[in-house]
Amino acid sequence: GAVVSQHPSRVICKSGTSVKIECRSLDFQATTMFWYRQFPKQSLMLMATSNEGSKATYEQGVEKDKFLINHASLTLSTLTVTSAHPEDSSFYICSARDPLGWPVYEQYFGPGTRLTVT
Amino acid sequence: AQSVTQLDSHVSVSEGTPVLLRCNYSSSYSPSLFWYVQHPNKGLQLLLKYTSAATLVKGINGFEAEFKKSETSFHLTKPSAHMSDAAEYFCVVSDGNYGQNFVFGPGTRLSVLP
Repeated sequence: GAVVSQHPSRVICKSGTSVKIECRSLDFQATTMFWYRQFPKQSLMLMATSNEGSKATYEQGVEKDKFLINHASLTLSTLTVTSAHPEDSSFYICSARDPLGWPVYEQYFGPGTRLTVT
Repeated sequence: AQSVTQLDSHVSVSEGTPVLLRCNYSSSYSPSLFWYVQHPNKGLQLLLKYTSAATLVKGINGFEAEFKKSETSFHLTKPSAHMSDAAEYFCVVSDGNYGQNFVFGPGTRLSVLP
């Protein structure tokens, strides 16, 4: 089946620094990828939709200058948390949309990245 | 706009007894519906999906769900719970047109008692 990887799985950084998280589709080309954020014991909240070769679409309330998304190839999307603060600590999960799934476009999820900002 | 309600935030069952996790949805389009499971600090695994081909959908690990349009429900069931089923379960709705966005329910935590 389709596999999506994320790197790193865990990262600890100091307040004020930037962190980059990578999301890769390993055995298929993903024109559309998604980034979610999950707080402890809560559901997933969509942060942004990333389309290869174009600017990401951010959900309302998500700061696009703080959460930089780049989808430069059909297998890689990156999320950079700039000037991270403790409130950015969270579990970040990416997914890739199945390009062949019409009419049901399933999403394949990565294992997630635990970000802790100290 | 789509929305999902999971009626129980926590369900506790004994091992070997049936599991019922409830999900109701709201959608302006013909919905696609999914159930995902998340074990602690892990990513999401697809259990099953509704694609309009059949109202009773069978998934992995003995789970199944029935789509009832009249009740706007998509409840998840399993005849006999196993300890390894203890996890967080998410019901997800996606609009039928290109399924661009997934909307997650709040989740139901399933505990399985020995």
